[in-house]
Amino acid sequence: DIVMTQSPDSLAVSLGERATINCKSSQSILHRSNNKNYLAWFQQKPGQPPKLLIYWASTREAGVPDRFSGSGSGTDFTLTISRLQAEDVAVYYCQHYYVIPVAFGQGTRVEFK
Amino acid sequence: QVHLVQSGAEVKKPGASVKVSCKTSGYTFTRSTMHWVRQAPGQRPEWMGWINVGYDDTRYLEKFQGRLTITCDKSAGTAYMELSRLKSEDTAVYFCAREQWVDGAFDIWGQGTMVTVSS
Repeated sequence: DIVMTQSPDSLAVSLGERATINCKSSQSILHRSNNKNYLAWFQQKPGQPPKLLIYWASTREAGVPDRFSGSGSGTDFTLTISRLQAEDVAVYYCQHYYVIPVAFGQGTRVEFK
Repeated sequence: QVHLVQSGAEVKKPGASVKVSCKTSGYTFTRSTMHWVRQAPGQRPEWMGWINVGYDDTRYLEKFQGRLTITCDKSAGTAYMELSRLKSEDTAVYFCAREQWVDGAFDIWGQGTMVTVSS
């Protein structure tokens, strides 16, 4: 099974500053047939389900602010929040959907400094 | 607009079974795949299994084989997750999540159902 590992576990960022979260998969999740990375990013706030932010590693879901961006390929990925807003305080998870079983990273808690 | 609405919280004793429903609306249920994911307090989400509604095909995480059954009622647009022989470690919030297209990400989630297993 593919294991997803995020870093850091928590992150304190000032309002308006950049937040960067890393995610590493234990094997490549790049499908050669379509050149797509089967990697998604989710935001989760207390008492709510995960919310899809990014899929195919870098495609923003409809309605997601453009301050959220995803990058990376193969086994190494990054979620960047370019200018942290109050409503961005949450736990962020990466997830691969390359094969069954899909798996999530352990999460990164983003807080205000 | 797409919605997934789950049944309410459950409290069960060890050894019992629980069945959680996920009522869909706003899209063609019979052309979709529905996943079930659970999240224990303070833990990462854990994928449990899925059902391809059109083909009535299911896949389960190996650790749940023999305890987990995912079904659907196509006419009602509803998916179900039943977990048997419950243990205290099964205490978690259980989510249904729609696969956005074949082999796609999970784009729409239910609100979650808290299942508490306690004697």
